[in-house]
Amino acid sequence: GENVEQHPSTLSVQEGDSAVIKCTYSDSASNYFPWYKQELGKGPQLIIDIRSNVGEKKDQRIAVTLNKTAKHFSLHITETQPEDSAVYFCAAPPPAGGTSYGKLTFGQGTILTVHP
Amino acid sequence: NAGVTQTPKFQVLKTGQSMTLQCAQDMNHEYMSWYRQDPGMGLRLIHYSVGAGITDQGEVPNGYNVSRSTTEDFPLRLLSAAPSQTSVYFCASGRSGANVLTFGAGSRLTVL
Repeated sequence: GENVEQHPSTLSVQEGDSAVIKCTYSDSASNYFPWYKQELGKGPQLIIDIRSNVGEKKDQRIAVTLNKTAKHFSLHITETQPEDSAVYFCAAPPPAGGTSYGKLTFGQGTILTVHP
Repeated sequence: NAGVTQTPKFQVLKTGQSMTLQCAQDMNHEYMSWYRQDPGMGLRLIHYSVGAGITDQGEVPNGYNVSRSTTEDFPLRLLSAAPSQTSVYFCASGRSGANVLTFGAGSRLTVL
């Protein structure tokens, strides 16, 4: 199965700074890499994802980059705001060729704190 | 649409007691799953279902049972609760073949 490692476990930044969270995965056949944001008292929510046929995807202040050779992908948040404070999870599906049906393997999570 | 609804939000059990965590979705998603969230361990898959009448085990299935009699509902049963099952439980659903999951708000379970 897939093994996903996420770093750092906690990240503290000042408002306006950038934040970067990195994940590594084990299965070179994996082809879909989502990021979920979990606000306090809520369930995780998809914020951005990337497929293996592209190297970078942006959506306003957030971006995800993928390095398939090194088997890692990263979440980049620019111009951070206090409302970005949350727990962020990366994930990867089972190997391509199988029926994933959403059987995501999640990273350990990163607690991001943005100080005003 | 309500999305994914979990009940109860909070529950305290004594060791050996049984209970059922309820999960319902109104999006006609074929796929439903249960995850548990523990500090430093992320979200771990307990059981999942790809449609009514079909269930399978995830990464940490021991001590939990599930059934899927309808598309909408996917209850998680603890037959004999143990302190190691103290956790926050999340139900999620998704369309068949898609990897995007919609999560419920979670159920926090404490086993004394």
